Amino acid sequence: DAGVTQSPTHLIKTRGQQVTLRCSPISGHKSVSWYQQVLGQGPQFIFQYYEKEERGRGNFPDRFSARQFPNYSSELNVNALLLGDSALYLCASSFDRGSYEQYFGPGTRLTVT
Amino acid sequence: KQEVTQIPAALSVPEGENLVLNCSFTDSAIYNLQWFRQDPGKGLTSLLLIQSSQREQTSGRLNASLDKSSGRSTLYIAASQPGDSATYLCAVIKYGQNFVFGPGTRLSVLP
Repeated sequence: DAGVTQSPTHLIKTRGQQVTLRCSPISGHKSVSWYQQVLGQGPQFIFQYYEKEERGRGNFPDRFSARQFPNYSSELNVNALLLGDSALYLCASSFDRGSYEQYFGPGTRLTVT
Repeated sequence: KQEVTQIPAALSVPEGENLVLNCSFTDSAIYNLQWFRQDPGKGLTSLLLIQSSQREQTSGRLNASLDKSSGRSTLYIAASQPGDSATYLCAVIKYGQNFVFGPGTRLSVLP
C-alpha cells in the first residue's frame, strides 16, 4: 500500500501570497493532521481533521485553514504569507481520531521570500 | 499544557557504541508515546510505538521503555552504525488530542 503522499515537494512563495498544500492519507485512514516544523525544532500541531470535520486546532493564526474531502484527502491553506511561515509542513494520517499510530508523509518544504 | 523535552540535544559517537536517548514529558496522563527518526529535510519515520499500558517495545537494535509515573521514556540503540545518523524525535499523545513533540536529539555516528 502507498504511504501518505504530499504535494508539492517544494514551494517558493513571496510575502503576502497564498499557498495550498495537499495530502493524501493511507488508504482506510480517516484522520489527517497537519504539522509545521521550523528548522531545528520539533513539529508543531496545526490541525486535525476526522470524517471531514475539524477535531483539533493548534495555536496558529486564522491565516491558516484546512479542509478534508469525502475521500479523506486534505488541503492546508495559508494566506498572507510571512517570512516566518517558511518551514517543512508535514501531514500525518491515522485510522481514527484517537491515538492510533500516526504515519507521516515526506512533507512540503515552503520557502517564503 | 504538555511539554516534551529531549536530552541530549546532540550526540556524536563512534560506530559500534550502545547509546541512550532520553525523553521527558510533564503530563503523565498520556495514551501513547511514539519515537520517530527524521533524516535531514525529510519526513518522519515511525520507529516504535508504546501504548500507556506497556513498559517497553523492541524492534531490531532498538528498544524503547516508558515510565509514565516519572514522565520518562528512553530509546536504546545497540551497536550503532553510521546509517543511524539522524534526528530522533519523541512524541506523546492523549486520547482524542494531538501529538506533542520534543525538539529532537541529533545523532551522528562516526565510522
